[in-house]
Amino acid sequence: KAGVTQTPRYLIKTRGQQVTLSCSPISGHRSVSWYQQTPGQGLQFLFEYFSETQRNKGNFPGRFSGRQFSNSRSEMNVSTLELGDSALYLCASSLISTGERGELFFGEGSRLTVL
Amino acid sequence: DAKTTQPNSMESNEEEPVHLPCNHSTISGTDYIHWYRQLPSQGPEYVIHGLTSNVNNRMASLAIAEDRKSSTLILHRATLRDAAVYYCILRANAGGTSYGKLTFGQGTILTVHP
Repeated sequence: KAGVTQTPRYLIKTRGQQVTLSCSPISGHRSVSWYQQTPGQGLQFLFEYFSETQRNKGNFPGRFSGRQFSNSRSEMNVSTLELGDSALYLCASSLISTGERGELFFGEGSRLTVL
Repeated sequence: DAKTTQPNSMESNEEEPVHLPCNHSTISGTDYIHWYRQLPSQGPEYVIHGLTSNVNNRMASLAIAEDRKSSTLILHRATLRDAAVYYCILRANAGGTSYGKLTFGQGTILTVHP
């Protein structure tokens, strides 16, 4: 069973540019969430999508946005890049469960460097 | 989200047991205790979770205090591949609206010596 796939794995941008990152969840998983990881702030929740709807959003400025397609694939976009946006962006998918399971499966991440 | 407290770092020798503690004194009755770990250059991976009773799986064991204010992740025989950052996370019942949100703390950096 294929895992969560994130593309691109590495990218370099300059300040003011925008970037789009892609995430393909595990087949059958309908929930996709995004996280930012930096040395200073650790892992922080960005947002979560389920059935093409954003269900939850973390405390990030509006420059960070995302969407989910009907096949559950998701993209996140960061506009007007700042140096502080340099980070590892992680995507995670999960099966929806009414119980306690809800295990998240993470991809390997997209490492963004802003110069 | 309720907060967890973990030691910043711990060390172990290969093939010895490791006990990683986590304090969560403000845990609510419906919070599950989840553990994830992050190996170098990888995304986090699920390790184990529990509610009240101790749990075992192929990776580890989870011992939960009777009052649920603390828990311990037990790696029975540490290997070099277990060197990672271990995160203890409280998770509300997934029957709510937030299925994919985990609140990570700083975690415990586990170093395993040969």
